[in-house]
Amino acid sequence: NAGVTQTPKFRILKIGQSMTLQCAQDMNHNYMYWYRQDPGMGLKLIYYSVGAGITDKGEVPNGYNVSRSTTEDFPLRLELAAPSQTSVYFCASSTTSGSSYEQYFGPGTRLTVT
Amino acid sequence: DAKTTQPPSMDCAEGRAANLPCNHSTISGNEYVYWYRQIHSQGPQYIIHGLKNNETNEMASLIITEDRKSSTLILPHATLRDTAVYYCIVHNQGGKLIFGQGTELSVKP
Repeated sequence: NAGVTQTPKFRILKIGQSMTLQCAQDMNHNYMYWYRQDPGMGLKLIYYSVGAGITDKGEVPNGYNVSRSTTEDFPLRLELAAPSQTSVYFCASSTTSGSSYEQYFGPGTRLTVT
Repeated sequence: DAKTTQPPSMDCAEGRAANLPCNHSTISGNEYVYWYRQIHSQGPQYIIHGLKNNETNEMASLIITEDRKSSTLILPHATLRDTAVYYCIVHNQGGKLIFGQGTELSVKP
């Protein structure tokens, strides 16, 4: 299994541009998440999904959109990039079976908005 | 989900046990204690979790006090590769994790 994969690894955007961060998992997990991590800080939840067709806001959803059309994929869309969105973005997934909600994280996408 | 309090940083000598404390005084009965670590800007890695009993796996041990208001993560023989930020998280199995600042553990030779 590849686990959780994210593309691209790095990206530089100009203010006002848009882009989609891709996330895919091959573990058949129902739950998927997007986090951002600013320098020296912990991770903050942007959006999450409990299954295909179902998404919900996390702590910091403003400026982002998500969709979940399949179990495997959970893309994150930035419509009008702003310098405040410069961050490292992590995607994660977890199962809902058993007693563990262990989350598996991808390697991250490092985004700079200038 | 209950909040957690961790020391911002700790040092540990290589080969010694690293004991990382966490306070979660407002934890409720259905909330679990989870520990993750993040090595040098990589994605966080799950370590261990527990509800009320002590737990052990190949990576670490988790000791939860009887009143469940605090816990300790123990790395029995710390190596340089255990240098990381360690996050203690309390949640009710609803899937969402709320990350705090964590403890930056430095393992020194």
